[in-house]
Amino acid sequence: SAVISQKPSRDICQRGTSLTIQCQVDSQVTMMFWYRQQPGQSLTLIATANQGSEATYESGFVIDKFPISRPNLTFSTLTVSNMSPEDSSIYLCSVNRGGERDEQYFGPGTRLTVT
Amino acid sequence: QQQVKQSPQSLIVQKGGIPIINCAYENTAFDYFPWYQQFPGKGPALLIAIRPDVSEKKEGRFTISFNKSAKQFSLHIMDSQPGDSATYFCADMDSNYQLIWGAGTKLIIKP
Repeated sequence: SAVISQKPSRDICQRGTSLTIQCQVDSQVTMMFWYRQQPGQSLTLIATANQGSEATYESGFVIDKFPISRPNLTFSTLTVSNMSPEDSSIYLCSVNRGGERDEQYFGPGTRLTVT
Repeated sequence: QQQVKQSPQSLIVQKGGIPIINCAYENTAFDYFPWYQQFPGKGPALLIAIRPDVSEKKEGRFTISFNKSAKQFSLHIMDSQPGDSATYFCADMDSNYQLIWGAGTKLIIKP
């Protein structure tokens, strides 16, 4: 399996500000994904981030609101821009382990509260 | 668009009982169906997965049963323990290697 860390683990932010969430993996991976999860709900995919290419966003998510960087095969960031209380959620990154593209592993998540 | 229907939404079982969670899928790109276990405040953890060249897979107390003709698969937890109390998600995978998630089942094992 892959060991994935996220920073920060939680944050409380004011409306209108931005927060950048970091995702670090202990090994090189091809595909990284960013999800949003409301407490008690299922996961919603925000975007897929592959190194060397632009992130691919799912319907309802746009680059201006959720810019993503993927500078190398072990690291990615997700920024939540111009935040509103509706952005309060848990944000998770996940990766496909190299060599077996169907196994996905998740980070511990970042709990974001926007006031 | 691919969908995965998961039931029940919640489940309460006495310790030692066998909770069963069911999922139904529409289409699959890779014939790969994982189950994830999530504890409060944690990310989902890959629990067990099946590729339907087999109809059943066991790992410890966890078993996946698969019925390809019915497009259904289920998770059974043998000798359930209070520590198994968590939310369980089934998933399918699309052609872009993206997981298609079930709605989740909140499982409570009563001592």
